[in-house]
Amino acid sequence: NAGVTQTPKFQVLKTGQSMTLQCAQDMNHEYMSWYRQDPGMGLRLIHYSVGAGITDQGEVPNGYNVSRSTTEDFPLRLLSAAPSQTSVYFCASRIRDSSYNSPLHFGNGTRLTVT
Amino acid sequence: GESVGLHLPTLSVQEGDNSIINCAYSNSASDYFIWYKQESGKGPQFIIDIRSNMDKRQGQRVTVLLNKTVKHLSLQIAATQPGDSAVYFCAETPIRTSYGKLTFGQGTILTVHP
Repeated sequence: NAGVTQTPKFQVLKTGQSMTLQCAQDMNHEYMSWYRQDPGMGLRLIHYSVGAGITDQGEVPNGYNVSRSTTEDFPLRLLSAAPSQTSVYFCASRIRDSSYNSPLHFGNGTRLTVT
Repeated sequence: GESVGLHLPTLSVQEGDNSIINCAYSNSASDYFIWYKQESGKGPQFIIDIRSNMDKRQGQRVTVLLNKTVKHLSLQIAATQPGDSAVYFCAETPIRTSYGKLTFGQGTILTVHP
């Protein structure tokens, strides 16, 4: 298994440009999430999904859209990039576990700079 | 986790020493806790977890202690090695919410000197 794969690894955008950060997992995980990580801060939840066709907002959803058409993929869209969205973005997934004992598995991140 | 500024807590130890990393959590409803390790340029990596019906759990060279009375979590690393140098995050969640909704602490930088 490749685990959680994020592309691209690095991206530079100009203010107002749009782009999609890709995330794919091959572990058949139902739960997928997007976090952003800023210097000196922990990870903050942007959006999450509990299964195909179901998404919900996290702590910092403004400026981001998501969709979940398949179990494997959970893309994050920036419709009009702003400098405040300069960050490292992590995608994470976990199995559906009724005992709630399964931790999140993270990708290696996409480093985004908006100028 | 709340923003507490740009300067992460740091812990410097000598190789072979035991390390203790602390975390205070704020949500009384949280009942599942996880420690993650993050190396430079990589995503967080799961280390160990604990549920609120336990106060201690041991793994390989690591132990997590949970004190629900004071909402405190700690990670103990035995015989710390240079490869343990990383940023360590605690995370919490109430068991009734979706698993994607972990709340992370700001992190602690662990530096192990040979």
